[in-house]
Amino acid sequence: QQQVKQSPQSLIVQKGGISIINCAYENTAFDYFPWYQQFPGKGPALLIAIRPDVSEKKEGRFTISFNKSAKQFSLHIMDSQPGDSATYFCAAREETSGSRLTFGEGTQLTVNP
Amino acid sequence: ETGVTQSPTHLIKTRGQQVTLRCSSQSGHNTVSWYQQALGQGPQFIFQYYREEENGRGNFPPRFSGLQFPNYSSELNVNALELDDSALYLCASSPGQEYNEQFFGPGTRLTVL
Repeated sequence: QQQVKQSPQSLIVQKGGISIINCAYENTAFDYFPWYQQFPGKGPALLIAIRPDVSEKKEGRFTISFNKSAKQFSLHIMDSQPGDSATYFCAAREETSGSRLTFGEGTQLTVNP
Repeated sequence: ETGVTQSPTHLIKTRGQQVTLRCSSQSGHNTVSWYQQALGQGPQFIFQYYREEENGRGNFPPRFSGLQFPNYSSELNVNALELDDSALYLCASSPGQEYNEQFFGPGTRLTVL
């Protein structure tokens, strides 16, 4: 059962453009929503995270927008750079489940120079 | 780098064999989680260990088992390997089971022939 659905599966953006990746969840008990970045041959690395009491969080070029009523959240990468080319995963955690994360299917981002 | 190390980097086994994967958590981290990441998919939670006890398990059969040692390092054991077990196995550590952020290692690539 897929509890976190992510789209698109792949995304191609020109350098300097905005990359937008969307996720939707079903479990209303989720209380922590991180985004991970993964390069080939590496483990996922935490990029930015948000809790549901906040509608937006920005760190540098990365912004999470969160819509609790719609059960959706998205990652915006401003001024996308070729070095941002990687696979991005959204995830969610339920407070009572310890550290367990439920991941989306991933989005392969390519930023063309 | 997160400080989480995994060994071996790559492993090739044949169907029916048994395998042990190892993880050293980041210094001071007492919680370790294991994830299976099939090619082109998001990581799937296998189980979590907190202070040497398993305290959460995903939808994986009993032939997937683990251990956590007093120094908080951990092992993942898989018996009776199947072709579908071919995947990247990721270990993640955190300072406590209630802590949001998890730090992932680079993973072990297991190929089952």
